[in-house]
Amino acid sequence: GEDVEQSLFLSVREGDSSVINCTYTDSSSTYLYWYKQEPGAGLQLLTYIFSNMDMKQDQRLTVLLNKKDKHLSLRIADTQTGDSAIYFCAEANAGNNRKLIWGLGTSLAVNP
Amino acid sequence: GAGVSQSPSNKVTEKGKDVELRCDPISGHTALYWYRQSLGQGLEFLIYFQGNSAPDKSGLPSDRFSAERTGGSVSTLTIQRTQQEDSAVYLCASSPWDRGRRGTGELFFGEGSRLTVL
Repeated sequence: GEDVEQSLFLSVREGDSSVINCTYTDSSSTYLYWYKQEPGAGLQLLTYIFSNMDMKQDQRLTVLLNKKDKHLSLRIADTQTGDSAIYFCAEANAGNNRKLIWGLGTSLAVNP
Repeated sequence: GAGVSQSPSNKVTEKGKDVELRCDPISGHTALYWYRQSLGQGLEFLIYFQGNSAPDKSGLPSDRFSAERTGGSVSTLTIQRTQQEDSAVYLCASSPWDRGRRGTGELFFGEGSRLTVL
């Protein structure tokens, strides 16, 4: 079946950039998402990218998509302690009832 | 309310008892999803509703799990004869996605119901 993989942990210093990586197997992906889950809370959409794009920038967030390598990354510039959370990568195939395929999540720890 | 509401937020039960978890989606959202999140695990898809029908129940772990949705709104996930391995956070999400309409497919999540089976 289709799969999404992410590294489980990332630790950065406050003020540095964070890069969270994700790989997926579905060549028919239409949308790719980054969701953020803060402790004790539900998931919240952080950003998304359509599969015909290779980059999307939104304030401190930059999403890069390499469709050939099926690789997605999320860069957070000037990482703050409030960015500490679990970041989930997910992909959707429009032909599959929009059932998202999720990664296991990357736990980002930001150290002062 | 403005967001997806789930209740109870915490439930502790004894092995063998039945539990019901409730989800109130955002008004007007046609799609509703149930996921399970266990410690150290990712999101496990359970079931998906489009309106009141469930075209995809493939994620329900066993016949002890069932879900229904009424009036295209509230959904209830029922776990019968709970087992310790059912302990997890059960997340509900809704989406305005409609089959005939293009959209981002964004899911709006509730805060989850934490189930502990003793």
